[in-house]
Amino acid sequence: SQTIHQWPATLVQPVGSPLSLECTVEGTSNPNLYWYRQAAGRGLQLLFYSVGIGQISSEVPQNLSASRPQDRQFILSSKKLLLSDSGFYLCASRSTGNQPQHFGDGTRLSIL
Amino acid sequence: SQQGEEDPQALSIQEGENATMNCSYKTSINNLQWYRQNSGRGLVHLILIRSNEREKHSGRLRVTLDTSKKSSSLLITASRAADTASYFCATDADYGQNFVFGPGTRLSVLP
Repeated sequence: SQTIHQWPATLVQPVGSPLSLECTVEGTSNPNLYWYRQAAGRGLQLLFYSVGIGQISSEVPQNLSASRPQDRQFILSSKKLLLSDSGFYLCASRSTGNQPQHFGDGTRLSIL
Repeated sequence: SQQGEEDPQALSIQEGENATMNCSYKTSINNLQWYRQNSGRGLVHLILIRSNEREKHSGRLRVTLDTSKKSSSLLITASRAADTASYFCATDADYGQNFVFGPGTRLSVLP
């Protein structure tokens, strides 16, 4: 089965600082990869998804960007963080067809 | 766009009781999935039910799907304190390119 590695688990950053969150996947090849953000007590908002290396689709306009430099590596970035970027960020992976998503343990990002 | 909406938003029951959560959505789907999230953790997949299926079981979990009503339900039987978590439904209309999660049901199982 798939294993999703996300780090760091928690991160505190000042407003205006850059961001790089990394997600790596084990146990599958050529997965669909996803970045979600979750506000406290709320559902998941899809930020980006990728069907292959270098292929990124964005669901909402925002201060963030994503990249997929390798098949099983997905990176979430920002050049300058805003207070509104605070939240719980989740990476997920999914094989093709009628398959579930597998999630990492998330990164809790606090912007001060 | 399609959207899963869970009902109720919060549910509190005693250990040993059954818990039922419902999910409604708006458009045609290929499958519907239920996930559990413990506080501060990632989501764990529970059950996937395809659009041509009406019911699936996994241990103490039972999921039904009514595509004519665009609704699904998750039943947890003989609940335990360890079942305390948030439960989400997610709809998949195009095989993963656009999963849509509902806001979730927060289940509290009291010992």
